[in-house]
Amino acid sequence: DIVMTQSPRSLPVTPGEPASISCRSSQSLLHSNGYNYLDWYLQKPGKSPQLLIYLGSNRASGVPDRFSGTGSGTDFTLRISRVEAEDVGIYYCMQALQTPLTFGPGTKVDIK
Amino acid sequence: QVQLQQWGAGLVKPSETLSLTCAVSGGSFTGYYWTWIRQTPGRGLQWIGEMNRSGISSYNPSLKSRGTISVDSSKNQFSLKLSSVTAADTAVYYCARRTRLDMPWGVCWYFDLWGRGTLVTVSS
Repeated sequence: DIVMTQSPRSLPVTPGEPASISCRSSQSLLHSNGYNYLDWYLQKPGKSPQLLIYLGSNRASGVPDRFSGTGSGTDFTLRISRVEAEDVGIYYCMQALQTPLTFGPGTKVDIK
Repeated sequence: QVQLQQWGAGLVKPSETLSLTCAVSGGSFTGYYWTWIRQTPGRGLQWIGEMNRSGISSYNPSLKSRGTISVDSSKNQFSLKLSSVTAADTAVYYCARRTRLDMPWGVCWYFDLWGRGTLVTVSS
């Protein structure tokens, strides 16, 4: 199985400030087609996860442009350019290259 | 608006079979993978398995063949059965839809719709 790790595990943030979460995979997620099969999900408190980013850098429909995903191979980053109060929750990266699909342990983002 | 509504027993005895069902309302049942994912405080999110309308399925080997997903196209429903449960199977179980997107150089699949989750506790 592909093992996903994330850092930091906890991230207190100040509204209006940027934030960054790192995700690493135990194997390259770069497919021969040139796409990185890495997704980002946000689980807001008491809710189900929701898709933020797919294929490493593509924002899902309705996701604000303050969210961006970068990276390739085994190293990926999710950035929030200016954190808003509604962004609190747990952020998960997930590899979609092969089954079993595997998730990172999550990064809990809350307001300082 | 497409929704996933899930239900099932919230308390299951050890060694028995966990059973959950998810209904798709307001949308098509064709062209997706219908998935079960569970979440525990200790293990986080774990993909259990998935099946499409044609019956093509895939499961997490860590379940050691205890899981079975079935699809009932006539009812727009899919189900999960997990046999021989233990306390380690206590979790919030989510049903989810995995949607295909055709990109210029390939295909990707992502979870774009989730159920609200069902807490299943394994206890005598």
